[in-house]
Amino acid sequence: KNEVEQSPQNLTAQEGEFITINCSYSVGISALHWLQQHPGGGIVSLFMLSSGKKKHGRLIATINIQEKHSSLHITASHPRDSAVYICAVSPGGATNKLIFGTGTLLAVQP
Amino acid sequence: KAGVTQTPRYLIKTRGQQVTLSCSPISGHRSVSWYQQTPGQGLQFLFEYFSETQRNKGNFPGRFSGRQFSNSRSEMNVSTLELGDSALYLCASARGTDTQYFGPGTRLTVL
Repeated sequence: KNEVEQSPQNLTAQEGEFITINCSYSVGISALHWLQQHPGGGIVSLFMLSSGKKKHGRLIATINIQEKHSSLHITASHPRDSAVYICAVSPGGATNKLIFGTGTLLAVQP
Repeated sequence: KAGVTQTPRYLIKTRGQQVTLSCSPISGHRSVSWYQQTPGQGLQFLFEYFSETQRNKGNFPGRFSGRQFSNSRSEMNVSTLELGDSALYLCASARGTDTQYFGPGTRLTVL
């Protein structure tokens, strides 16, 4: 079993829909990261969180440490949101090592 | 502020050769981490350097090595290349233990 599990693996939405991507992990962590990867490879860090909730524009990330679960929400989705969204965890200690989920491929259709 | 740069962007090698990839972090960032991305295994951590010291290492064979220079620039080396080493190699820099900023990657093809 992978240490970081994401669901769904693939997601197709219509423009304007509310989207939720889920992430569960089985290891102790110091932080959880949500990353976005567009075709061509470039990865952008969206959020780094260790508790509670963070919001940036139309993106919201939440984490429940007790349940070892995080969600990424996209409100009012747009075709430019189409990308792979990756959940990753920092396993603790003085390190930037990341353990990655397998990613969620999101396609938002106009 | 310039982002993380990686050179070269594309590389084609043959089995048995060795390769060196370079990563220049954002100015002021002391941590550089390296990752391998393949369709089969996804993203995997290779190693991390902080102030010229290897701070953590992933589960890769000894053919994979790296180093960091005093200006925080980092190189990774893969010796005796195998077909399975074909991948996108990404580096990421951070100031300390915090948000990582990824470079565009080096796409390595081993023939």
